[in-house]
Amino acid sequence: KQEVTQIPAALSVPEGENLVLNCSFTDSAIYNLQWFRQDPGKGLTSLLLIQSSQREQTSGRLNASLDKSSGRSTLYIAASQPGDSATYLCAAGISRLTFGEGTQLTVNP
Amino acid sequence: GAVVSQHPSRVICKSGTSVKIECRSLDFQATTMFWYRQFPKQSLMLMATSNEGSKATYEQGVEKDKFLINHASLTLSTLTVTSAHPEDSSFYICSAPGTLHYEQYFGPGTRLTVT
Repeated sequence: KQEVTQIPAALSVPEGENLVLNCSFTDSAIYNLQWFRQDPGKGLTSLLLIQSSQREQTSGRLNASLDKSSGRSTLYIAASQPGDSATYLCAAGISRLTFGEGTQLTVNP
Repeated sequence: GAVVSQHPSRVICKSGTSVKIECRSLDFQATTMFWYRQFPKQSLMLMATSNEGSKATYEQGVEKDKFLINHASLTLSTLTVTSAHPEDSSFYICSAPGTLHYEQYFGPGTRLTVT
């Protein structure tokens, strides 16, 4: 059974800082690794999808990497902004996703 | 990207009543949709897979008679919480896979409060 863990559970940084969110998974046969953003009381916004055969994906200030051998994915956020404050979730799977507990990010102006 | 809608966004009902939540894919067809629930400060847990034209597949521990799922068309899946109780109060979110690489698109969620 796939298990997904995210560290840290919460993170508070000053505006402009670069930061890394971590996601680990137990089953390397993950097919896809997807990163989401969730604002309080809202649904999920897809940020990046990394297919099993890929090692990283980039979108704007976001970069996600995938290392299946070590069971890890990281989400790198460059030059953080207060608008980046949200909970970030990673999920493994191709249809039936297994989610991590999330990292609650606060970017202070 | 693809858009998934949910209705209602928020519902309050009395204990013992039933509530129906709709999930629609607005600009694409989805033969499969997924229903998740999320308790406060917790992550999403998959409840069931909704299959167009056939029975839903439920995850272990989810009561299929309590959470009725109907995939009426290629763009609509409904989740009915029957005989709701306060412990069913939660945030229910649906998703549908896009056609490219099975990227999952999520609806905005439905906040259910059972009093």
